[in-house]
Amino acid sequence: EPEVTQTPSHQVTQMGQEVILRCVPISNHLYFYWYRQILGQKVEFLVSFYNNEISEKSEIFDDQFSVERPDGSNFTLKIRSTKLEDSAMYFCASTTGYTEAFFGQGTRLTVV
Amino acid sequence: AQSVTQLGSHVSVSEGALVLLRCNYSSSVPPYLFWYVQYPNQGLQLLLKYTTGATLVKGINGFEAEFKKSETSFHLTKPSAHMSDAAEYFCAVRLSSNTGKLIFGQGTTLQVKP
Repeated sequence: EPEVTQTPSHQVTQMGQEVILRCVPISNHLYFYWYRQILGQKVEFLVSFYNNEISEKSEIFDDQFSVERPDGSNFTLKIRSTKLEDSAMYFCASTTGYTEAFFGQGTRLTVV
Repeated sequence: AQSVTQLGSHVSVSEGALVLLRCNYSSSVPPYLFWYVQYPNQGLQLLLKYTTGATLVKGINGFEAEFKKSETSFHLTKPSAHMSDAAEYFCAVRLSSNTGKLIFGQGTTLQVKP
């Protein structure tokens, strides 16, 4: 069964460092998303991406964040200068646009 | 604006008992509604969804949910809980017309006691 894959599963980084979280969406999907879940809190939408551009972003998705689809398969989330409050589980998701979203297993980001 | 409220952050049932997890939403247009389950240290897995048509939808692992427009609810039920159902459950709403982003409730942790 096709699945969304995310790497790494766990990333520890020092405050102020840049991190890139990677995702491989399902191959025939057209819409891509990043969500995050701070420990003990709800899952929050960060950004949606379609046709090689951001289609919607939340207030959380400020200038420190960027997304890219560098080739035909990967979808990345970059955080330029990490803060302690960026520590969270980050989920990638994809959809054809007409179906439910399929989520990856998540990357747990710990900023120290 | 859309929002989702899950009543009860923790629900505890005995094995074999009825599971009822509550979800209410607000939406200015007809919503698509979803329940996702998250097992420890895993991602989000779709349990079931409502888009259009029949208001009672069946999902995996014996779960079902009923869309009640008049009550703006989409409660999740299972007649008989199993130990393996212990997990966190998230209700989510999506507007039929938007980019597909999901708005999640705060989640309900289901504990199943032997």
